Amino acid sequence: AQKVTQAQTEISVVEKEDVTLDCVYETRDTTYYLFWYKQPPSGELVFLIRRNSFDEQNEISGRYSWNFQKSTSSFNFTITASQVVDSAVYFCALSGLGGSNYKLTFGKGTLLTVNP
Amino acid sequence: GAVVSQHPSWVICKSGTSVKIECRSLDFQATTMFWYRQFPKQSLMLMATSNEGSKATYEQGVEKDKFLINHASLTLSTLTVTSAHPEDSSFYICSARDYRGRPTDTQYFGPGTRLTVL
Repeated sequence: AQKVTQAQTEISVVEKEDVTLDCVYETRDTTYYLFWYKQPPSGELVFLIRRNSFDEQNEISGRYSWNFQKSTSSFNFTITASQVVDSAVYFCALSGLGGSNYKLTFGKGTLLTVNP
Repeated sequence: GAVVSQHPSWVICKSGTSVKIECRSLDFQATTMFWYRQFPKQSLMLMATSNEGSKATYEQGVEKDKFLINHASLTLSTLTVTSAHPEDSSFYICSARDYRGRPTDTQYFGPGTRLTVL
């Protein structure tokens, strides 16, 4: 069975601070996908990134960066110089590849509040 | 990125009535769509996987007769909550799998439908 753990339920920071959201996963699959989604107060999930298990390169996109460590089964997400608009619930998710394995398993989410 | 729409965005209905929610992929064909349910301040729980032209696959504990899913075309899936009761009140979210070959194999989510049953 697959499992995603986001140990941080809520995080509160002041604008311009850097913040890291943790994600630890469990799977028996040798190949899989990892995702991060953002859910602002409006409710719509916004896709942020997908990472294949065979690609351990870290990725940076503007103020966002992701650190994939297969050895520790972690896929952490860092926001640099946080802004108020970053306030949202962030979900980490995991899926297998192909057929019914493609179902997404979500973590419980981390509520990030960025205060001005 | 790919666009998925849902209609309606919110609905209020009386107990005992049925409610239909539509999920459309606007700029791609989705052979597979997923329906999720989210309670306040909780994570998304997968209800069922909808495959175009075949019966939906429901997750354990989800009543098939209660939540009817139809995936009649490559761009449309519908979820019908039959004989809705207050405990069915929730935020329902669909997603569509954009599979045009790797690396675009990603689920894109609709904006959600907030259902309130009085």
